[in-house]
Amino acid sequence: AQKITQTQPGMFVQEKEAVTLDCTYDTSDPSYGLFWYKQPSSGEMIFLIYQGSYDQQNATEGRYSLNFQKARKSANLVISASQLGDSAMYFCAMREYQGGSEKLVFGKGMKLTVNP
Amino acid sequence: NAGVTQTPKFRVLKTGQSMTLLCAQDMNHEYMYWYRQDPGMGLRLIHYSVGEGTTAKGEVPDGYNVSRLKKQNFLLGLESAAPSQTSVYFCASSYPEGIGRTTGAGEQFFGPGTRLTVL
Repeated sequence: AQKITQTQPGMFVQEKEAVTLDCTYDTSDPSYGLFWYKQPSSGEMIFLIYQGSYDQQNATEGRYSLNFQKARKSANLVISASQLGDSAMYFCAMREYQGGSEKLVFGKGMKLTVNP
Repeated sequence: NAGVTQTPKFRVLKTGQSMTLLCAQDMNHEYMYWYRQDPGMGLRLIHYSVGEGTTAKGEVPDGYNVSRLKKQNFLLGLESAAPSQTSVYFCASSYPEGIGRTTGAGEQFFGPGTRLTVL
């Protein structure tokens, strides 16, 4: 079973509108972390936002916020006031702990296109 | 600070050839990782290291070897390249954190990637 599921292969949004990118995860560990990364067409991986499993409040970073619903195991990324530069691939990832080390498990990503 | 750098940026190999990808980081991170990215597959972990002199297998380790002789460097080797190893390879590094950490993300910092084509 996939540990990170991103079901939307692609989305389109109008500039200045808000958009929600879906991510569900699967883990039985009580301690984990959830990340969103952006990959523009230039290829680099850019860290956007983080949510810890024990964090009481949803994470926010500028125009990015994370809608964390622990019981539903979802960690959706909300981008407010979309900009043309937001067009990119977006990856949700979960940090898991195994054998005293930590690793990231990535979803397959989804492509966001912002239209003018 | 350069962050995480990867050498080379592009490479074309013939089947059966060998090569080494170099990853270097100047952030004094303990953990380093090698991923491969294929279309529609996201990033998959090949090998990782939790400190100098240590390495461990990730999700897709077959056909690759790694070494971490110095804390700042993590090498990925292909002994006999195959067309199935055509991919974009990313290196990443991070600080370790204890289980249950509640402050800070401890996010992974990524290099720019290496595009490898095996003919």
